[in-house]
Amino acid sequence: DVKVTQSSRYLVKRTGEKVFLECVQDMDHENMFWYRQDPGLGLRLIYFSYDVKMKEKGDIPEGYSVSREKKERFSLILESASTNQTSMYLCASISAGNTIYFGEGSWLTVV
Amino acid sequence: GEDVEQSLFLSVREGDSSVINCTYTDSSSTYLYWYKQEPGAGLQLLTYIFSNMDMKQDQRLTVLLNKKDKHLSLRIADTQTGDSAIYFCAESLNTGGFKTIFGAGTRLFVKA
Repeated sequence: DVKVTQSSRYLVKRTGEKVFLECVQDMDHENMFWYRQDPGLGLRLIYFSYDVKMKEKGDIPEGYSVSREKKERFSLILESASTNQTSMYLCASISAGNTIYFGEGSWLTVV
Repeated sequence: GEDVEQSLFLSVREGDSSVINCTYTDSSSTYLYWYKQEPGAGLQLLTYIFSNMDMKQDQRLTVLLNKKDKHLSLRIADTQTGDSAIYFCAESLNTGGFKTIFGAGTRLFVKA
């Protein structure tokens, strides 16, 4: 079974804290993604990566950065968390056959 | 029901061909369309095909329509980095008001 694993399911952070959300996939996929999902807005793409050390901005990259040091791991970083970044964050990877696999999601609350 | 489905993402290398696929459910389609949306921009009509045609070619773009399978594809030859965008498939239905149903879009990323 393909697995996309997000290390933290629920986090509560203070405004201004640095936050790391980790995602690991075990199927050697080249393409990995970070989305956020908010009520009424659907999935919005933050960043994606098509290879190790390669990244591209999605639709809402402001306030976020990413890191892809190894093929299996794609990290989302909030340099200075703000309350408007309270959301559910979904990591995904796509197979060569264009099947998308999502992680279980990380619920982040910034207080 | 009326539905248009597309893959979420496609990445290709510069110079390769891209093929973006779309399936639809309603057989009363009159026209089928491909739109392109670049970052920060609105939808731009790329090409369209009438439902009684099988193929349409326009420079680097080739549209193929398989009515039996309700499958539409857009092939972009010699894909360039400037082709990176979201591509939307849409169908117009002859329901008296020419309702148009859009797919959710395929994000094409071209690697240099």
